[in-house]
Order: sequence, then structure tokens, then C-alpha cells
Amino acid sequence: DVKVTQSSRYLVKRTGEKVFLECVQDMDHENMFWYRQDPGLGLRLIYFSYDVKMKEKGDIPEGYSVSREKKERFSLILESASTNQTSMYLCASTSPAGRRSGELFFGEGSRLTVL
Amino acid sequence: DAKTTQPNSMESNEEEPVHLPCNHSTISGTDYIHWYRQLPSQGPEYVIHGLTSNVNNRMASLAIAEDRKSSTLILHRATLRDAAVYYCILSVVTPLVFGKGTRLSVIA
Repeated sequence: DVKVTQSSRYLVKRTGEKVFLECVQDMDHENMFWYRQDPGLGLRLIYFSYDVKMKEKGDIPEGYSVSREKKERFSLILESASTNQTSMYLCASTSPAGRRSGELFFGEGSRLTVL
Repeated sequence: DAKTTQPNSMESNEEEPVHLPCNHSTISGTDYIHWYRQLPSQGPEYVIHGLTSNVNNRMASLAIAEDRKSSTLILHRATLRDAAVYYCILSVVTPLVFGKGTRLSVIA
């Protein structure tokens, strides 16, 4: 089975801290995605990557950056965390075939609280 | 991406079939119809997808209207474990844009 692992299920950080959310997948997928999920707003796409060292902005990239140095790892970085970035963060991956079939594999999520 | 419309919530009795509707009147000829579900405290899970023909897999069936302006996800026998938010999404390729979905409650 495909496994998408997010490094932390729960994090609490302070305003202004730099935050790293790590995502690792074990199926050699080229494509990886970061979403955030908030009550009433659903899932919103932050960034995605179709290959190592490539990144594309999603719908809400402001305040975030990403890093894809290795194929299996896609990191989401909050350079200076703010309270409005308190959210559930979800990582997903898929193969090239999966890009068309839409079969994304999601991690369990990282719930970030910024105080 | 074309827009989908789903009911906010639905209820079903355990062990009965469930039909979850999705309207997508502005669907384009190349849009695939994807369904995901999200169980409590988990990430979304792929359920099924289709283009024009009805599709079946171990989890569910997808019935697509002949004009493709609507589709229905069918759970043949609801269990308590099927209680989740179900998302209907149109896309040609990823990334997928998730709406608010339908919250399905299953009553024992």
C-alpha cells in the first residue's frame, strides 16, 4: 500500500517562528501536493510539485514556501508563522498516471496551532 | 475547473443503499468525475472516478448521467464506517480542487 507520512500529527508554535512540515511518500511518486483544510472552507491548495526541484503555486501560496530536494520528500515551510495559519495541513502524492485518474494518496494530516 | 453542487448533508440507515448526488451542469467533454471521502480525523481517500460510463469498484459504484451533467455515487450497503464527508470533483488532470462535499451520517 502507498504510504504518505507526515512528520507530526500535532504541532504548537508561536507567532514568528519558522515551521517545517515534512511529507514523505514511499511509492516513487513524481507528483506531490500540500493542502490546508479549515472549517467551512474545505481543502485549499497551497503548493504542488511535479518533479524534484520543481514547484508550482496553488490557490493560497502567500506566507508559505516549499522544498523538493528529493523525490520522496516535499516540505512545506512557514517562514514566519502567524495565527491565521492555524489549520490542518494535508500532503498528497500521485503517479503520472494518477494525475489523470485523480487518484491522490493523502497523509493523515498535521494539525498546526500558532499561538 | 467546472463547478459541482452537492447537498450539504445526508442521512442513511445502516445496511441500506446510499445514493449521493452531484450536479455538474458546466462539465466539459474532457472532465473526469472523481469522488473522494474523508473519514473523521483522516486525510481524504480516493473512492472512484469515471468519464462517461458507469464504474464499479470494491468501494462503490459511480453512475453518470447520459448528458454527464450529473452523477451519483452509490454505496450498496452503508455501514457505520461509511460515515464521512464525500467530495465530488471535476478535473482533467491534477491538482484537484475540493469543494465542501456532502456529510453522510449513518444510523445504526
